[in-house]
Amino acid sequence: QQQVKQSPQSLIVQKGGISIINCAYENTAFDYFPWYQQFPGKGPALLIAIRPDVSEKKEGRFTISFNKSAKQFSLHIMDSQPGDSATYFCAATGGTYKYIFGTGTRLKVLA
Amino acid sequence: NAGVMQNPRHLVRRRGQEARLRCSPMKGHSHVYWYRQLPEEGLKFMVYLQKENIIDESGMPKERFSAEFPKEGPSILRIQQVVRGDSAAYFCASSTTGENSPLHFGNGTRLTVT
Repeated sequence: QQQVKQSPQSLIVQKGGISIINCAYENTAFDYFPWYQQFPGKGPALLIAIRPDVSEKKEGRFTISFNKSAKQFSLHIMDSQPGDSATYFCAATGGTYKYIFGTGTRLKVLA
Repeated sequence: NAGVMQNPRHLVRRRGQEARLRCSPMKGHSHVYWYRQLPEEGLKFMVYLQKENIIDESGMPKERFSAEFPKEGPSILRIQQVVRGDSAAYFCASSTTGENSPLHFGNGTRLTVT
């Protein structure tokens, strides 16, 4: 019940395309869902986060869509750029400090 | 604008030696977390500390691993008698509060056990 399942494991997108990464959870106590971006040799950096009281949050080219009934949330990267090539992690937590991370999606955007 | 500082960036130890990893949280942050990342895997929670207190060490192996966050100085993750399976990237994160507070990660220490 503490798992967050992330897919796909890897993703290749053409420049200008839309990248979509999906996550699913089981624990209904989760109420904070951040996405992290990690470049090789670096630590994860907070990209965008959502709480379940909204169904969508947009920041620039990055959008989180949240489906509370399906217990799923996804990251959409619009107009994907080669500089977006990185590993993306979804995470979830529920009123605690303990984040549960997905296994990551390695995104490659072709120039 | 210093973020979370970890050192060393890379650490090589022979089996049986001790590894000591350091973490200085962001300015103003009093909550520190250690996570471990194995190759091709997500981050796994190890331990949560506040100044001079271990709040939750449920993710840390009971043997050989210990963590501290003294009143003065950085947080330390100590691994005694390292084995090859300890090879991983160890990330420290900090936050302003302990609940639903965004985690800010350092760049990690990559431990290699030979």
